[in-house]
Amino acid sequence: NAGVMQNPRHLVRRRGQEARLRCSPMKGHSHVYWYRQLPEEGLKFMVYLQKENIIDESGMPKERFSAEFPKEGPSILRIQQVVRGDSAAYFCASSPYGTGNGNTIYFGEGSWLTVV
Amino acid sequence: QQQVKQSPQSLIVQKGGIPIINCAYENTAFDYFPWYQQFPGKGPALLIAIRPDVSEKKEGRFTISFNKSAKQFSLHIMDSQPGDSATYFCAATFSGGYNKLIFGAGTRLAVHP
Repeated sequence: NAGVMQNPRHLVRRRGQEARLRCSPMKGHSHVYWYRQLPEEGLKFMVYLQKENIIDESGMPKERFSAEFPKEGPSILRIQQVVRGDSAAYFCASSPYGTGNGNTIYFGEGSWLTVV
Repeated sequence: QQQVKQSPQSLIVQKGGIPIINCAYENTAFDYFPWYQQFPGKGPALLIAIRPDVSEKKEGRFTISFNKSAKQFSLHIMDSQPGDSATYFCAATFSGGYNKLIFGAGTRLAVHP
């Protein structure tokens, strides 16, 4: 039973390029969350999606960042025109239910973005 | 009011010692408090969690103590081992809502042999 799969695990982009991070939730999970971890900091909530819907994007920067979770395929976190401050680990998590106790949320191993 | 404050930032103990990590929160609507363990290069994994209707919860060598009136909770690791060396995060959320976790800044624990 595969866990939450994220790719790429490591990504290097030059300033101004686009970064696309992909997340395949655990089998049977239709709820996806993206969190960002800046160096030496805790994880910060970015966005919560269900299939084809963005439920809460209150943690997403207003510009350059977007997320989607299409009917078919993985969830995508897209960062346009990356800047050095976007360098971070981006974690995807999934859960089988929309409401829960936190113990139903499973994290992937993360995608480490480095902007040079 | 949405913050969770965690201390210390780093901690070094000898094998067999009992490291204690503390967290404090402001929002009294939080009602679920999980702890996550993260090894370098890996995602966080749920370790143990508590609700505010109990003052203590034990799972193996890990214990959470909860003080509702002080709005504080802490993680104790009994008989710590070098394999426990990792970063520990406390978090808080609303169990009736979706899984939007508010994380502390993390504590980097090193257990020396």
